[in-house]
Order: sequence, then structure tokens, then C-alpha cells
Amino acid sequence: DVKVTQSSRYLVKRTGEKVFLECVQDMDHENMFWYRQDPGLGLRLIYFSYDVKMKEKGDIPEGYSVSREKKERFSLILESASTNQTSMYLCASSLLQTNQPQHFGDGTRLSIL
Amino acid sequence: AQKITQTQPGMFVQEKEAVTLDCTYDTSDPSYGLFWYKQPSSGEMIFLIYQGSYDQQNATEGRYSLNFQKARKSANLVISASQLGDSAMYFCAMRMFSGGYNKLIFGAGTRLAVHP
Repeated sequence: DVKVTQSSRYLVKRTGEKVFLECVQDMDHENMFWYRQDPGLGLRLIYFSYDVKMKEKGDIPEGYSVSREKKERFSLILESASTNQTSMYLCASSLLQTNQPQHFGDGTRLSIL
Repeated sequence: AQKITQTQPGMFVQEKEAVTLDCTYDTSDPSYGLFWYKQPSSGEMIFLIYQGSYDQQNATEGRYSLNFQKARKSANLVISASQLGDSAMYFCAMRMFSGGYNKLIFGAGTRLAVHP
């Protein structure tokens, strides 16, 4: 089974802190994604990556950056956390083929105080 | 613009009955794919079923089937013989080609409650 592991289930940080969310997948997937999930809005794509050291902006990249130094690891960085970044963050990975589903981690519920 | 619409914020169903969750989409691309995911209260997103735009037959996976009506641009999820464990949020998503890459866009979700 595909395993996507996010480093924390719950995280509380303060405004202005630099926050790192880590994601690791164990199935050698080329693609990795970061989403945020807010009630009534579904999932919105923040950043994605199709290869090591490669990144592309999603629909809501402002205030975030990412890093993919190794194929299995994709990190989301909040450069200076703000209260409007309080949300559920979901990491996903998939194979390159377009009919393959994305496999998700358990999510990180991040609160910025 | 490409988008996914789930018009039912919440649905109720009696255990052992069938339920249909609605999903409509809008795209001008001839090639696309539709996915359904389940999200229990624990938070993980579970892949349920996939339908490609060129697939001739409706997809089925166990108790899940996808009622794909291409002309109406709808891809409704049908869950047969509902179980208490089916209570969850359900998301419809569409694979679209944008900016040179394939991405998923998600609907707002439908919360399903199965009653004993």
C-alpha cells in the first residue's frame, strides 16, 4: 500500500514564525502536492512538484514556499505565519500517468495564534 | 473556466439504502478524468473510484459506482447498501490540464450521514 506520511497531525504556532510541514512518500511517486482544506471550499492546491528540485505554483501559493531535495520528501514552508493560514494541510503523491489517483497523508491541522 | 460543483452540502440516508451524491463539472477539454474521494472524520482522504472521459462504461468498485453522463457533464457517485461506516465527507475532483501540467480541482464536498 502507498504510504504518505505527514510529520504532525496537529501543530500550533505563533504569528510571524517560520513553519515547516514535512511530507514523505514511500512509493517512488514522481508527483507530490500540497493542498489546504477549508470548510465550504474543498481542497485548494498550493504547490506541486513533478520531479526533484522542481516546483510549480498552484492556485494559492502566496505566503508559502516548498522544497523537494529528494524524490520521497516534499516540504511546505510558511515563511512568516499569519492567522489566515490556520487550516488543514494535506500532502499527496501520485504516479505520472493521468489516470492514477493521488494518495493523501492524514493531514496536519495547523493553528496560527 | 474549469470547475467542479457539488450542490448538496449534506445528505442523509438510511442504513442499507442506496444514495446518490451529485457532481457536475465544466471543461472544454476533450480529455479529462473524474475522481471521487471519501474523507472520514479522522481526516485522511481515501480514493474511491475513477472515470476517464473516453471510458465507454461507467466505473464500478464494489459498492461504489459512477453514473457518468458526459452530455450533461455530470459524474454522480452511487453508494449501494449504505453502511454506518460510509458516514463521511465525499469530494468529487476533476483532472485538468493547465499551465502545461495535469492538476486536480475539487468540489466543496458533500457530508453524508448514514442513520441506523
